[in-house]
Amino acid sequence: SYVLTQPPSVSVAPGKTARIACGGNNIGTKSVHWYQQKSGQAPVLVIYHDSDRPSGVPERFSGSNSGNSATLTINRVEAGDEADYYCQVWDGSNDLPFGGGTKLTVL
Amino acid sequence: QVQLQQWGAGLLKPSETLSLTCAVYGGSFSGFYWSWIRQTPGRGLEWIGEINHSGSVNYNPSLKSRVTISVDTSKNQFSLKVDSVTAADTAVYYCATRIVVVDTGWFDPWGQGTRVTVSS
Repeated sequence: SYVLTQPPSVSVAPGKTARIACGGNNIGTKSVHWYQQKSGQAPVLVIYHDSDRPSGVPERFSGSNSGNSATLTINRVEAGDEADYYCQVWDGSNDLPFGGGTKLTVL
Repeated sequence: QVQLQQWGAGLLKPSETLSLTCAVYGGSFSGFYWSWIRQTPGRGLEWIGEINHSGSVNYNPSLKSRVTISVDTSKNQFSLKVDSVTAADTAVYYCATRIVVVDTGWFDPWGQGTRVTVSS
């Protein structure tokens, strides 16, 4: 099965830039999607197709994908961005795996 | 704008059958895959399986032997059954819409989640 690896936690000061990585074998050949999950809530899509933003998601959120790592970048981080973030792909056969999640803490 | 609302029993005994239903409001029922996903502290988010409006199903190979997903197009609903549950099936279960594009697909939106506990 295809494994996606994320750091358990990332901390950033308000107004700074947060970068959350998602590692996988040749992940650059796959399309990566990102979800934000705030405490007690269902996940919400924030990036699809590596770098596209659904309507309503702030432009501060962006994504990139190359080689063995995809990255979710959040510019000018706000307190309201504090959440767990998950990456997800289609493994090319019959599974839709998620990464283990990264807890973003706004200091 | 599609919205999902789910319901089902939240407390089960080992060996019972988990049963959840998800209703789709405000959008087309065709053209998407309707998925079930569960979340536990230990295993994180785990895709269980999906179905489309014509009844074509895909299952996670690790769960396939115990899972059945069905659809009722007359009610715009789809359902999940998991047989012979154990404590390992304790999780928050979500229904979700999967937008399908060639060689990929993402989940948007998600239902509110149902916490299912398996305990004797």
